[in-house]
Amino acid sequence: EAAVTQSPRNKVAVTGGKVTLSCNQTNNHNNMYWYRQDTGHGLRLIHYSYGAGSTEKGDIPDGYKASRPSQENFSLILELATPSQTSVYFCASGDPRDEQYFGPGTRLTVL
Amino acid sequence: QEKVQQSPESLIVPEGAMVSLNCSFSDSASQSIWWYQQHPGKGPKALISIFSNGNKKEGRLTVYLNRASLHVSLHIKDSQPSDSAVYLCAVSPASSSFSKLVFGQGTSLSVVP
Repeated sequence: EAAVTQSPRNKVAVTGGKVTLSCNQTNNHNNMYWYRQDTGHGLRLIHYSYGAGSTEKGDIPDGYKASRPSQENFSLILELATPSQTSVYFCASGDPRDEQYFGPGTRLTVL
Repeated sequence: QEKVQQSPESLIVPEGAMVSLNCSFSDSASQSIWWYQQHPGKGPKALISIFSNGNKKEGRLTVYLNRASLHVSLHIKDSQPSDSAVYLCAVSPASSSFSKLVFGQGTSLSVVP
């Protein structure tokens, strides 16, 4: 079973602060993804990566950066957090054309 | 951009009932279509996928795809309380060069004993 872990699981941040969400996968998948999930919007893709050193913009990248320093790790960075970024964030990994394996999620509240 | 719409928004059924969930998408050339299950406080988990027109059966699950009508449905036979969850339809767009998925907003299913 593919394993994807996320940290922290819960985070409260202040407006204008910097937030880093971390994701680790142990299945040697090339592709990794960051989504946010909001009521009424489902899951929306923020950034994705094909492998170490690569990051690409998804459908809603504004206000977010991503970093893929290694095959296993993929981070999502909010340089200047805003209340509109309050959400639940999911990381996923997978092989091309195959299912995506999701982590347990990070609940972020920006006050 | 690919659009994915699911219906109904929520559903309550008695244990043992057949459940039918619907999903419409906007591009008949879309690649694979996936159904994911998400329990409260957990990440989504893939249940079943389909690429070709027709149906596919896995255990209590059957999925039907009709590309001409831009519609896919998931049917759960003999539903159990443990099936209570949000069900997400996800479509891989034809234009995507990697494994991008566009998700619907989900259907919340409650199976009552």
